[in-house]
Amino acid sequence: NAGVTQTPKFRVLKTGQSMTLLCAQDMNHEYMYWYRQDPGMGLRLIHYSVGEGTTAKGEVPDGYNVSRLKKQNFLLGLESAAPSQTSVYFCASSYLLNTEAFFGQGTRLTVV
Amino acid sequence: QQQVKQSPQSLIVQKGGISIINCAYENTAFDYFPWYQQFPGKGPALLIAIRPDVSEKKEGRFTISFNKSAKQFSLHIMDSQPGDSATYFCAVSSSGTYKYIFGTGTRLKVLA
Repeated sequence: NAGVTQTPKFRVLKTGQSMTLLCAQDMNHEYMYWYRQDPGMGLRLIHYSVGEGTTAKGEVPDGYNVSRLKKQNFLLGLESAAPSQTSVYFCASSYLLNTEAFFGQGTRLTVV
Repeated sequence: QQQVKQSPQSLIVQKGGISIINCAYENTAFDYFPWYQQFPGKGPALLIAIRPDVSEKKEGRFTISFNKSAKQFSLHIMDSQPGDSATYFCAVSSSGTYKYIFGTGTRLKVLA
């Protein structure tokens, strides 16, 4: 029972490089989210999706893009990485609104 | 604009003691109040949650107290154990939005 799986778990990027973080859930959840976690700032919402083919901006969307071509997958892209994007990224999903959100294990990204 | 204020930032408790973490929110539209527990290197996991129709919810050693008029809710951990050492996040959400807003986290350490 995998739940929410994020790949990769760790990554080091050089400034200006691009990458895609993959989130996959096997719970048939409609809602998916990308958060970043920084010390002393909690979890901040980057983008979210309320269903296949839909995406929307969260609190801190600048520098990121997302896609949800399949219900089970939610991709987070960094087109031109910056040191300010050094963070731990978490994907989450939920079946209904206002119910338990299930989180992945996180991706630790360092931009040098 | 910080919609959820969590305190304290860190907490040290003796084994067997009571740990109390508080959160205050501003928007009266919020109607779901979960607490998440996060161990190092892991994603947050739902610990306990409450909705505004009740003032208290207890699950084992964990209790949420909810004060709707004061717009505050708190997590009480009774008989705290070293295994409870983790970071705790409060969160809020509402039926009108498709997202959870997290507090900044409390790092709890329970001394053996």
